[in-house]
Amino acid sequence: GAVVSQHPSRVICKSGTSVKIECRSLDFQATTMFWYRQFPKQSLMLMATSNEGSKATYEQGVEKDKFLINHASLTLSTLTVTSAHPEDSSFYICSARNPARRGAFFGQGTRLTVV
Amino acid sequence: DAKTTQPTSMDCAEGRAANLPCNHSTISGNEYVYWYRQIHSQGPQYIIHGLKNNETNEMASLIITEDRKSSTLILPHATLRDTAVYYCIVDSGANSKLTFGKGITLSVRP
Repeated sequence: GAVVSQHPSRVICKSGTSVKIECRSLDFQATTMFWYRQFPKQSLMLMATSNEGSKATYEQGVEKDKFLINHASLTLSTLTVTSAHPEDSSFYICSARNPARRGAFFGQGTRLTVV
Repeated sequence: DAKTTQPTSMDCAEGRAANLPCNHSTISGNEYVYWYRQIHSQGPQYIIHGLKNNETNEMASLIITEDRKSSTLILPHATLRDTAVYYCIVDSGANSKLTFGKGITLSVRP
């Protein structure tokens, strides 16, 4: 079964509003989670690394004030897209590392459409 | 930057083996090779991983060259449901980030 759960799977919002996406590790504690964005026919692009109890580390070119990341517990990280614009429409994917194992587990993804 | 390079696409006939190559010539001694696949509008799915020995599981086999500079993912009997984008990734472990290349699009034809 899925070990990383992402919610919601789809969301439509109006321009100017904010949207929160949740990522949960179901059967392990994830000290590190990652957030990716994927545009049609393109690969996953890493946006930021989320560390439990500390500030996220953003990749170059990603606006930290627009994409707010909170990793308040070892099983939950959230990504909030603030003041969304149509160009923020994309497929957002989270992943989590299990410290006891190598590799990462991925959520099902969230399709965000800003109208 | 992704540490791997893959062909853009390939196809194979249903029921035949699909051999997907990957180059990772700058891989370090403690880095693993991971393979994921992504079916349209879903999150990446783990397939298999290895360090230097060949690996096999219920989904696929992974062949890693002796110098570890390349590997091949083998789907022994491809089905239509194996049509997806396959990503080969080098993992440094711990809390390091996973960087995706462009992957290879596998199309399985009836």
